[in-house]
Amino acid sequence: QVQLQESGPGLVKPSETLSLTCTVSGGSVSGDSYFWSWIRQPPGKGLEWIGYIYYSGSTNYNPSLKSRVTISVDTSKNQFSLKLSSVTAADTAVYYCARAHIAGATTFFDYWGQGTLVTVSS
Amino acid sequence: QSVLTQPPSASGTPGQRVTISCSGSSSNIGSNTVSWYQQLPGTAPKLLIYTNTQRPSGVPDRFSGSRSGTSASLAISGLQSEDEADYYCAAWDDSLNGLVFGGGTKLTVL
Repeated sequence: QVQLQESGPGLVKPSETLSLTCTVSGGSVSGDSYFWSWIRQPPGKGLEWIGYIYYSGSTNYNPSLKSRVTISVDTSKNQFSLKLSSVTAADTAVYYCARAHIAGATTFFDYWGQGTLVTVSS
Repeated sequence: QSVLTQPPSASGTPGQRVTISCSGSSSNIGSNTVSWYQQLPGTAPKLLIYTNTQRPSGVPDRFSGSRSGTSASLAISGLQSEDEADYYCAAWDDSLNGLVFGGGTKLTVL
């Protein structure tokens, strides 16, 4: 059973960089056909896809966040990470990591972490 | 404003069949498959339907998905109190080159 666990600071100051890590167990980030994603959900609102990374390092980001987002992978630790720069209060959200299946016209997320709340406040 | 449009709310009584719609365009639902997620209060989303109609192992067959043109639907038959949750559709959008979610539908079991 694949499990994902987010970790990182729960409070970030405005203009600083949000950094989160997702640790994968029961599976490998180096596995073929899987992409490793970040998704967020502001309090009381819907889901927003942030981006994904393949174990090779290939990435794809949400165009609305692209200038501020970096997703990286550490295959030796079986982890992948998110950095979001120049944060504002609008970036306050529960951040989820998830495993994505992407093949042709099909994309879906089959395993999700429990989520971690990140609040942007001074 | 979400790229995929869902009704903000839906409701039904136990045993009833309810349907939740997801409307998109040719660049998303019209050319890519749809997935559906169930989010129970205070928990992470859970995959309910993928590739328009497929159910992951463990998802009851009371849940079914369909797609026609640029719209998709999630149907829940034999509604149960534990089905009370938020439901989200999702699809890749070729124009945006990104994954888009619907705004979510809050299902209430009366």
